[in-house]
Amino acid sequence: NAGVTQTPKFRILKIGQSMTLQCTQDMNHNYMYWYRQDPGMGLKLIYYSVGAGITDKGEVPNGYNVSRSTTEDFPLRLELAAPSQTSVYFCASSYVEPAVYEQYFGPGTRLTVT
Amino acid sequence: QQQVKQSPQSLIVQKGGISIINCAYENTAFDYFPWYQQFPGKGPALLIAIRPDVSEKKEGRFTISFNKSAKQFSLHIMDSQPGDSATYFCAAIEETSGSRLTFGEGTQLTVNP
Repeated sequence: NAGVTQTPKFRILKIGQSMTLQCTQDMNHNYMYWYRQDPGMGLKLIYYSVGAGITDKGEVPNGYNVSRSTTEDFPLRLELAAPSQTSVYFCASSYVEPAVYEQYFGPGTRLTVT
Repeated sequence: QQQVKQSPQSLIVQKGGISIINCAYENTAFDYFPWYQQFPGKGPALLIAIRPDVSEKKEGRFTISFNKSAKQFSLHIMDSQPGDSATYFCAAIEETSGSRLTFGEGTQLTVNP
């Protein structure tokens, strides 16, 4: 199993550009999540999904959109990129049972907006 | 609103020493308290977790101590090794909230040889 894969690994965007961060998991997990990680700030939840067709906002959803058309894929869309979106983005997935607190993380995408 | 506060932000320990990272929470509805370990350039990975009805859990050199009345929990790394150098995150989850983890700010641990 590849686990959780993310593409691209690195990206530089200009202010106002848009892009999609891709996330795929092959563990048949129901739950998927997008986090951003800023230095000294921990991981902040952007959006999450409890199954195909179901998504919900996390703590910091402004400026982002998601969709979940399949169990495996959970892309994150950035519209009109801003410097405040410079961050490292992690996708994660988890089972419902037995250990719902165990999330499996991808390797991350480092995004710079200039 | 930061529901899980973590300290210290950074920690330097000599090889063989004990590393201690502390966390405090506010929400008494949290069901599980996991710790995640993150190496540079990698995503976080689950290290160990505890339920609030247990005061201590040990896995190898890693121990979680839990104080429910004080709403605090801590990670102890015994006999710290240079390979333990990483960022550690405490977290908390309320199962009925849809598996949403709330993370602390992280502690960057450096173990000197």
